[in-house]
Amino acid sequence: NAGVTQTPKFQVLKTGQSMTLQCAQDMNHNSMYWYRQDPGMGLRLIYYSASEGTTDKGEVPNGYNVSRLNKREFSLRLESAAPSQTSVYFCASSERVRRDPSQPQHFGDGTRLSIL
Amino acid sequence: AQKITQTQPGMFVQEKEAVTLDCTYDTSDPSYGLFWYKQPSSGEMIFLIYQGSYDQQNATEGRYSLNFQKARKSANLVISASQLGDSAMYFCAMREDGNNRLAFGKGNQVVVIP
Repeated sequence: NAGVTQTPKFQVLKTGQSMTLQCAQDMNHNSMYWYRQDPGMGLRLIYYSASEGTTDKGEVPNGYNVSRLNKREFSLRLESAAPSQTSVYFCASSERVRRDPSQPQHFGDGTRLSIL
Repeated sequence: AQKITQTQPGMFVQEKEAVTLDCTYDTSDPSYGLFWYKQPSSGEMIFLIYQGSYDQQNATEGRYSLNFQKARKSANLVISASQLGDSAMYFCAMREDGNNRLAFGKGNQVVVIP
């Protein structure tokens, strides 16, 4: 069972370069999320998509864009990478909350991104 | 304002003993859910246990249980009979009613020693 698959697992960029992080889920979930994790900060929500065709900003959206390509895929784009965006990025998916609020979010293994 | 607070410093626990991880939360919504996740050193996020605000009983899941005190707005995770594989960061998270988003705390580090 693949669950949530993120690519790439590691990436090093130079300041100003662009990059798209890919995420795909095979659990037929409606909702998908992008988080970043920095040391001592826990996970912070960047963007989410409650259902196919919709996206919304989270807590820290500046410098990022997202695309919900279809029900399975949700990508995160850094148009002009900055050192402050060095982080571990997690994609997650879940069933729609109103259908079952007890269902957890399922996470991918993360992408470690370093920006020099 | 921080919605989830986890303030314990790193904890060392003896193998086979129990450990309690503190989590307090802040919400004015009467309907919400609380989640605990485990993050081992390999980095993945593993869902452990869920507690709904209207649940009458404390949630349990194998060696994991929640000490849910609604009036105090706390949802402490209890790990019984600790194992070496329990060494990890543990995150508490809250979802408010109808909201797809999770707010995470900063985590509690646990190290189990033999």
